[in-house]
Amino acid sequence: DSGVTQTPKHLITATGQRVTLRCSPRSGDLSVYWYQQSLDQGLQFLIQYYNGEERAKGNILERFSAQQFPDLHSELNLSSLELGDSALYFCASSGATGRNTIYFGEGSWLTVV
Amino acid sequence: DAKTTQPTSMDCAEGRAANLPCNHSTISGNEYVYWYRQIHSQGPQYIIHGLKNNETNEMASLIITEDRKSSTLILPHATLRDTAVYYCIVKGYGGSQGNLIFGKGTKLSVKP
Repeated sequence: DSGVTQTPKHLITATGQRVTLRCSPRSGDLSVYWYQQSLDQGLQFLIQYYNGEERAKGNILERFSAQQFPDLHSELNLSSLELGDSALYFCASSGATGRNTIYFGEGSWLTVV
Repeated sequence: DAKTTQPTSMDCAEGRAANLPCNHSTISGNEYVYWYRQIHSQGPQYIIHGLKNNETNEMASLIITEDRKSSTLILPHATLRDTAVYYCIVKGYGGSQGNLIFGKGTKLSVKP
C-alpha cells in the first residue's frame, strides 16, 4: 500500500459526459501528479500540483482540468468525454517537489462507451 | 521523451538473479536514476534510486557505472511475482524536472 488513495476504482460513462477523479496523497505529501495510461500510449504525465498551485503541465488536453485543494487532495476533471479517453488514470504524490520519491496510487479505470 | 534506453523484453528463470540494463548516456550531473515496476495494470511501484553510488534495499540493487551513462537493476532471486514491466527513469528535481517521464520499459518474464 503506497498510501495514495484514488476513487473511484472503476467508472463507466457515456461519450460527452463529465467525470471527476479524486486523489488523496500520502500524509504530509505536498505534490500531486496525474498520469494517464492507455493501451497504445503508455504512461503519460498530465499535470503536477504543489501545495495547491500548478507546477508543471504535460500532455493534458484542454477538456481536462485539475486542482489541488487546501487539504491537499486533488481532483482531475474530464469533460466532453470521447471513446479515446478510456484509460487508467493514476495519481501520485511526493514530498517537497522533485526532491522526494514519487509514490503511485492504484489508479482509476475509466471506460467511455 | 524518455532519456533512457532499455531492452523491450527479458526472460529470467525463477530463483536466478535478474539483471536489467539501462542506458542513459545524456544524464546530467544532478539527475538521479530511478527504477519503478508495474505489475499488470497496478500502479507503478517504486523500487530504488541512485545518483552515482551503488544502492541496495530490500527489493533490489542498483549498479551505476562510474561515468553514469548506464545502470543495472538487479533482482537477486527472481520469483514469479517479479514478472512486470520495469522502467528506468532519469529524474532531476525542482519544477518540471521533478516529474517522472516513462518510456516503454522492459517486460521481465520470470519463468518456473
